[in-house]
Amino acid sequence: GQNIDQPTEMTATEGAIVQINCTYQTSGFNGLFWYQQHAGEAPTFLSYNVLDGLEEKGRFSSFLSRSKGYSYLLLKELQMKDSASYLCAVEDSNYQLIWGAGTKLIIKP
Amino acid sequence: TAGITQAPTSQILAAGRSMTLRCTQDMRHNAMYWYRQDLGLGLRLIHYSNTAGTTGKGEVPDGYSVSRANTDDFPLTLASAVPSQTSVYFCASSDSESGGQFFGPGTRLTVL
Repeated sequence: GQNIDQPTEMTATEGAIVQINCTYQTSGFNGLFWYQQHAGEAPTFLSYNVLDGLEEKGRFSSFLSRSKGYSYLLLKELQMKDSASYLCAVEDSNYQLIWGAGTKLIIKP
Repeated sequence: TAGITQAPTSQILAAGRSMTLRCTQDMRHNAMYWYRQDLGLGLRLIHYSNTAGTTGKGEVPDGYSVSRANTDDFPLTLASAVPSQTSVYFCASSDSESGGQFFGPGTRLTVL
């Protein structure tokens, strides 16, 4: 079966760095996405990885290792507004997105 | 303002009643999707459409139907609602079969 695993909840301190991991087992791979979802709102696109390595976009970076079925989202200089759920999704061989349950990130002052 | 709109924002529905959730996008995206999101579970695909005139079943299609008469609109119909269909429903679109998806604001549906 297809499976996306990510931690349910994480806590970090304002100004610090946090890494949210995602492991996946899917039928085929056409890319991995990270989305941010604030409570009561729609998911919004953060990053896309299709090749191995690190993609940096401001305070956020995303890493992919296809051979290990592993990705992480790195958030630097955490701000209170970063408190949200972070969703990992893999595009399978049918170009459908398979979604993880999301990681709720709590930022403390 | 370009994007995706959904209606209604929220709804309480009696079990056994029918309802159509509306979704409209003005980005001329070919692909559109309907998801449900339940606490503790990831987004689950209900139905999708890769282009106007075609639709496909996702992971949890039972009890739902869709149509795609044109590029902009992708309504989701519950023919006879049941309490297990209580959820938040998101419509999304993308400009290709492979690519990031843009989400509407969601419809919160409660079936009693």
